[in-house]
Amino acid sequence: NAGVTQTPKFRVLKTGQSMTLLCAQDMNHEYMYWYRQDPGMGLRLIHYSVGEGTTAKGEVPDGYNVSRLKKQNFLLGLESAAPSQTSVYFCASSIKETQYFGPGTRLLVL
Amino acid sequence: AQSVTQPDIHITVSEGASLELRCNYSYGATPYLFWYVQSPGQGLQLLLKYFSGDTLVQGIKGFEAEFKRSQSSFNLRKPSVHWSDAAEYFCAVSSYNTDKLIFGTGTRLQVFP
Repeated sequence: NAGVTQTPKFRVLKTGQSMTLLCAQDMNHEYMYWYRQDPGMGLRLIHYSVGEGTTAKGEVPDGYNVSRLKKQNFLLGLESAAPSQTSVYFCASSIKETQYFGPGTRLLVL
Repeated sequence: AQSVTQPDIHITVSEGASLELRCNYSYGATPYLFWYVQSPGQGLQLLLKYFSGDTLVQGIKGFEAEFKRSQSSFNLRKPSVHWSDAAEYFCAVSSYNTDKLIFGTGTRLQVFP
């Protein structure tokens, strides 16, 4: 039982490049979330999903897209990366009110 | 507006000393409250949570927290800190009618031997 896993762990992008972050969970949770963590700002919700095939915007959705084609996977896409998207990205899944987090993806956009 | 405030950005304690991390919330509905810990380079681990009932809740690693509705607070405590407790601690709030967590900005704990 791996819980929540994230791929990749670390990535460097150039401005304008695109990439996809993968989150996978093996707990059969309905809800999944993407957050970004920046110094002094805590965690901010980017997008979330309440079930397979559904997505919704969070607090800071601009510049990101998501897809939830399978219940166990939640993908976060950056179509044209900007330096302001340099951050640590966390995925979480939840059953009811309690969220469980992945180890994070550190992204550097040059 | 719904919010969580952690007034202490950085706290330093000696190993063996007691610890209290403060958390205040502003939330319209009955709150569900959480404390998470993040070790350097790691994800967030749930320490404890409060939904209802006894206002003093016990968590993992010897931590406890007390819900005080009159003060809108949910402070985290530990009677004797260990060097391995050095980490960043996040308070968060949600409710029964929402699927989103609101996080505080975190408190970084440093432990001196």
